[in-house]
Amino acid sequence: SQQGEEDPQALSIQEGENATMNCSYKTSINNLQWYRQNSGRGLVHLILIRSNEREKHSGRLRVTLDTSKKSSSLLITASRAADTASYFCATVFQGTDKLIFGTGTRLQVFP
Amino acid sequence: DAGVTQSPTHLIKTRGQHVTLRCSPISGHKSVSWYQQVLGQGPQFIFQYYEKEERGRGNFPDRFSARQFPNYSSELNVNALLLGDSALYLCASSLWDNNQPQHFGDGTRLSIL
Repeated sequence: SQQGEEDPQALSIQEGENATMNCSYKTSINNLQWYRQNSGRGLVHLILIRSNEREKHSGRLRVTLDTSKKSSSLLITASRAADTASYFCATVFQGTDKLIFGTGTRLQVFP
Repeated sequence: DAGVTQSPTHLIKTRGQHVTLRCSPISGHKSVSWYQQVLGQGPQFIFQYYEKEERGRGNFPDRFSARQFPNYSSELNVNALLLGDSALYLCASSLWDNNQPQHFGDGTRLSIL
């Protein structure tokens, strides 16, 4: 079964608005990673946040991690039409080498 | 540097046939992982190889096998194809393991008739 569950499953916003996606997981992790996937393409790595970090920024992206709640969020600020894609969180269980992906959030940004 | 390359990009097979998918990692990357992605779902982990040794295996039947060559390229083999094997097969490489950012190819779209 998938380790990460994401919500919402789909999100539609206007350009310039912020988009927030959430990811929950079930067991202890080494780190949590966020990826973007454009339709029919491979995944692109966005941010990796370690289990001892609480927040990380990269350009218009902000990721938070709350290990006590076993959850993470990805915030995209001032969204653009080019941000339209599916976004996935992925985690590695502690003690394993398996990278397990969540179910994904499909983001649609309208111009 | 070239990214992760996969071949072929598309493939059509019939039930019961065998397929081999190929992946070339980014230069210097020693870890290669394979994923299956069914339409509308997240990628499912199949295998991870590091230095030609299998480091991890997902919940896939024995019909799925893989190997990694001395130049770190990799092949995924699937025998006795079923309709349910239709999916996008993704390869990812990284320096050492799955605790690092993964670099994905654009995948092989496999259709089973």
